[in-house]
Amino acid sequence: NAGVTQTPKFRVLKTGQSMTLLCAQDMNHEYMYWYRQDPGMGLRLIHYSVGEGTTAKGEVPDGYNVSRLKKQNFLLGLESAAPSQTSVYFCASTKDPISGANVLTFGAGSRLTVL
Amino acid sequence: RKEVEQDPGPFNVPEGATVAFNCTYSNSASQSFFWYRQDCRKEPKLLMSVYSSGNEDGRFTAQLNRASQYISLLIRDSKLSDSATYLCVVNMFDMRFGAGTRLTVKP
Repeated sequence: NAGVTQTPKFRVLKTGQSMTLLCAQDMNHEYMYWYRQDPGMGLRLIHYSVGEGTTAKGEVPDGYNVSRLKKQNFLLGLESAAPSQTSVYFCASTKDPISGANVLTFGAGSRLTVL
Repeated sequence: RKEVEQDPGPFNVPEGATVAFNCTYSNSASQSFFWYRQDCRKEPKLLMSVYSSGNEDGRFTAQLNRASQYISLLIRDSKLSDSATYLCVVNMFDMRFGAGTRLTVKP
């Protein structure tokens, strides 16, 4: 039982390049989230999904796109990477975000550097 | 104004001290609340959920004040192993995190 798996774990990009981060969960969770974490900023929500085929914007969606074509996968895309997108990206999922009994399960993070 | 705001910290306390963190939120319709702990460069992990009646888990006590729109976390008898960043989470399906409060417990 892998939980939440993020790939790749590390990536270096040049400005203007594109890439996709993959988040995969095997827990049949409905809700999935992409966050970025910068020093002193906590986790900021980029986009999230409340089920297969749905996506919604979070706090900092600009410059990112997402897709949830399959329930188990949530993809985060950078169409034209910028140095400001250098960050650690975390994916998380949960069965039900409202119930206090259901926790967010996080991936181990993806460290992205844009030169 | 950010939707979730936390004490900026850092908090540096001796072992055995009691320390409290607060977190305020702006959306009165928020439905669930949590405290997460994050160790350096690792993914956050749930410390405890926060219930309306307040709840306790060993040395940790969490409280929710809906009228004033804040949640709190109290840590009693601090241990060296409590050193971490503590993040509050306020939720209306969109799980918003505070910026985190860094705690260092010293011998």
